[in-house]
Amino acid sequence: QVQLVQSGAEVKKPGASVKVSCKASGYTFTSYGITWVRQAPGQGLEWLGWISANNGNTHYAQKFQGRATMTTDTSTTTAYMELRSLGSDDTAVYYCARKPTSGPLDYWGQGTLVTVSS
Amino acid sequence: DIQMTQSPSSLSASVGDRVTITCRASQGMSNYLAWFQQKPGKVPKLLIYAASTLQSGVPSRFSGSGSGTDFTLTISSLQPEDVATYYCQKYDGVPLTFGGGTTVEIK
Repeated sequence: QVQLVQSGAEVKKPGASVKVSCKASGYTFTSYGITWVRQAPGQGLEWLGWISANNGNTHYAQKFQGRATMTTDTSTTTAYMELRSLGSDDTAVYYCARKPTSGPLDYWGQGTLVTVSS
Repeated sequence: DIQMTQSPSSLSASVGDRVTITCRASQGMSNYLAWFQQKPGKVPKLLIYAASTLQSGVPSRFSGSGSGTDFTLTISSLQPEDVATYYCQKYDGVPLTFGGGTTVEIK
């Protein structure tokens, strides 16, 4: 069965970086993309960007251009999302989700809580 | 970029009521529109894609419709387990924008 398993909760200080991992299993990793979505406490869903697991092509939301980097490791079928220069408003649950070509986000990871606090 | 606006932002209805949530795009788009359900503390769950196709395993009381700029999620008979926040999302090219969400409660 398709599974996306994310890394554990993180606590970071302002200005630091965080790298969240998303281990995929149960499907052909390179046939799909991975999208990253976040949700601040009590807020809605926010799209951060997308990466093709086939060729590594990326698209970032304008808000995260230059501050977020998404990568994949096909040997371990793992996707990564690094966010730099963290501020308190980056405190959120970060989700990875599988993105079929021309299809919706059909499987989601369990979420990773990133807390930014001094 | 296309913006997605949901209305209402919240609603309260009785068990058995018909509930309708609207998602409006800022410009015409394809039918690559999905609806997600998120229960408190849980991961979002795909309910509907391609504007009107029910995801496998989703109860038939959920339905989607619409085209162009106006899309609708309908719950034909609200059940207690439907208490959640519902989000629309366009997925026909980047950015994959979400609507602001609609919180559904039981009256």
